[in-house]
Amino acid sequence: EVQLVESGGGLVKPGGSLRLSCAASGFTFSSYSMNWVRQAPGKGLEWVSSISSSSSYIYYADSVKGRFTISRDNAKNSLYLQMNSLRAEDTAVYYCAREPPGGSYYFDYWGQGTLVTVSS
Amino acid sequence: QSVLTQPPSVSGAPGQRVTISCTGSSSNIGAGYDVHWYQQLPGTAPKLLIYGNSNRPSGVPDRFSGSKSGTSASLAITGLQAEDEADYYCQSYDSSLSGSRVFGTGTKVTVL
Repeated sequence: EVQLVESGGGLVKPGGSLRLSCAASGFTFSSYSMNWVRQAPGKGLEWVSSISSSSSYIYYADSVKGRFTISRDNAKNSLYLQMNSLRAEDTAVYYCAREPPGGSYYFDYWGQGTLVTVSS
Repeated sequence: QSVLTQPPSVSGAPGQRVTISCTGSSSNIGAGYDVHWYQQLPGTAPKLLIYGNSNRPSGVPDRFSGSKSGTSASLAITGLQAEDEADYYCQSYDSSLSGSRVFGTGTKVTVL
């Protein structure tokens, strides 16, 4: 069974940093691109970042470019999101999501999400 | 902000058919990129409902169907049931934004 479990969310002050993790199991993690998608309270879904299976290709939404860094450790079946210079508008539930291979550009499995709150 | 536009809400009585539109542009849906749909029940993570414009993952009832034409796509729910009350999002890829997977604005389906 495919499982994605996020952790690392919490309350942080504006300008602060936080590192999210996503532990994957039930599939060959190293064969899949992975993504982070966020959802602000009461709002819609927003794609944040994508990383290819071997970390060769990395992309970010303009809203987080230069502040967030996506990475993965295939040996540990883990995905990460380092978030720096956090702003109030980064407050959201952050989901990790698996992307099937072959340029599919969709998300077939999602984690349960971890809440990040940026507030003084 | 979202580059795919959906109606904020649609509603229908049990057993009825409802459709949700997803309007894009020449850099996403109109460029030939596939459209995918997700269902988000209250308080839960999104779930893949339709991929590749019209394909249903295993376990998704055939009451849900998708189509795409030009710069738009649609999700249809036939035989509406109470458990279909949820938020629905379309999603595609946009070539004008490097690496960008893009979502629709989302539609709340209410079962009357």
